[in-house]
Amino acid sequence: DQQVKQNSPSLSVQEGRISILNCDYTNSMFDYFLWYKKYPAEGPTFLISISSIKDKNEDGRFTVFLNKSAKHLSLHIVPSQPGDSAVYFCAASDASDSGGGADGLTFGKGTHLIIQP
Amino acid sequence: DADVTQTPRNRITKTGKRIMLECSQTKGHDRMYWYRQDPGLGLRLIYYSFDVKDINKGEISDGYSVSRQAQAKFSLSLESAIPNQTALYFCATSEPLSGRGETQYFGPGTRLLVL
Repeated sequence: DQQVKQNSPSLSVQEGRISILNCDYTNSMFDYFLWYKKYPAEGPTFLISISSIKDKNEDGRFTVFLNKSAKHLSLHIVPSQPGDSAVYFCAASDASDSGGGADGLTFGKGTHLIIQP
Repeated sequence: DADVTQTPRNRITKTGKRIMLECSQTKGHDRMYWYRQDPGLGLRLIYYSFDVKDINKGEISDGYSVSRQAQAKFSLSLESAIPNQTALYFCATSEPLSGRGETQYFGPGTRLLVL
């Protein structure tokens, strides 16, 4: 049973336009969400995160939106650049876990973003 | 220099062989994790460790064991490798942040092929 779902395996966007990557989750205990970016032959790189007490977090060209009632989050990249072409993973954790931290992250399957010139 | 390193980066082995994948970190984090990535399946947690004396099974621990030799080192062993353990393996570290979630930092990965 997949608790974190990224329903689009791939997404193609023109350079300069907005890229919107979506993620849905089913576990209502999740309260911390992250986006990772992964290039081939490299490990995932942390991009941006959001706590469930917020509905938006912005960092430069990247904005993450959280809709708790819909159990949905999205990553917006504006404007999209060629270097943004990568696989993007959505991940979630239950930060209220005993010990004050997460026993690992639950990942979605990833969305391959392709930025076309 | 990379904060989280993994050795080897690539490994080919045969069914039944014992192999060890190693992870070292210079971030000073107490928490370390091992994940595997299979095509189309994202990353799945194998084992995690909150400190040297604390080891926990993750979602898919069968067929694997781990050793936390020091705060900076966390090794993953396949006691008797089988072909369906062919995957990309990632080590990660994190530091607990009171009151909110933590960010995990990943190594570059080890590509393992079991023939």
